Amino acid sequence: DVKVTQSSRYLVKRTGEKVFLECVQDMDHENMFWYRQDPGLGLRLIYFSYDVKMKEKGDIPEGYSVSREKKERFSLILESASTNQTSMYLCASSYRGGRSYEQYFGPGTRLTVT
Amino acid sequence: KQEVTQIPAALSVPEGENLVLNCSFTDSAIYNLQWFRQDPGKGLTSLLLIQSSQREQTSGRLNASLDKSSGRSTLYIAASQPGDSATYLCAVRPAQAGTALIFGKGTTLSVSS
Repeated sequence: DVKVTQSSRYLVKRTGEKVFLECVQDMDHENMFWYRQDPGLGLRLIYFSYDVKMKEKGDIPEGYSVSREKKERFSLILESASTNQTSMYLCASSYRGGRSYEQYFGPGTRLTVT
Repeated sequence: KQEVTQIPAALSVPEGENLVLNCSFTDSAIYNLQWFRQDPGKGLTSLLLIQSSQREQTSGRLNASLDKSSGRSTLYIAASQPGDSATYLCAVRPAQAGTALIFGKGTTLSVSS
């Protein structure tokens, strides 16, 4: 079974803190994604990566950065957390080759910034 | 810009009913469409993936159809059970290399016993 794991299920941080969210997949997938999910807004793409050290901005990259030093690991970094970054963060991964790929999601990290 | 809409936003049915969830998208240039299930506070579980060249996919009591030319997909759930209660999301993969999924906002289903 494909497994995508996220470092924390719940996280509480203070405004201004630097926050690291970690995602690991065990299927040798090239693509990895970070989304955030908010009520009424649905899932929105923050960043994605199609290879080690490669990254592309999604729809809402402001206030975030990412790091992909190893194929299996994709980190989302909040440089200076703000209350409007309180959200559910979801990581996903998939194969890159061909047209047909299925995205697999992790369990999510519920981040609260106070 | 591709937009995905799911109607209705919420649905309540008694156990045993057959039901249909709807998904529409504005641009027919897609590679595939994926249906997900999300339980409260949890991640997404993939249910079915339909390629752009396919008309439908089945898994157990679930059947998903795709009409790419009209920009529509339906998820049919047969003989609903309380355990089917969850939010169902559809997402399309645009026909552009390197792009991620575009999601609808979901239909929240409640099945009462």
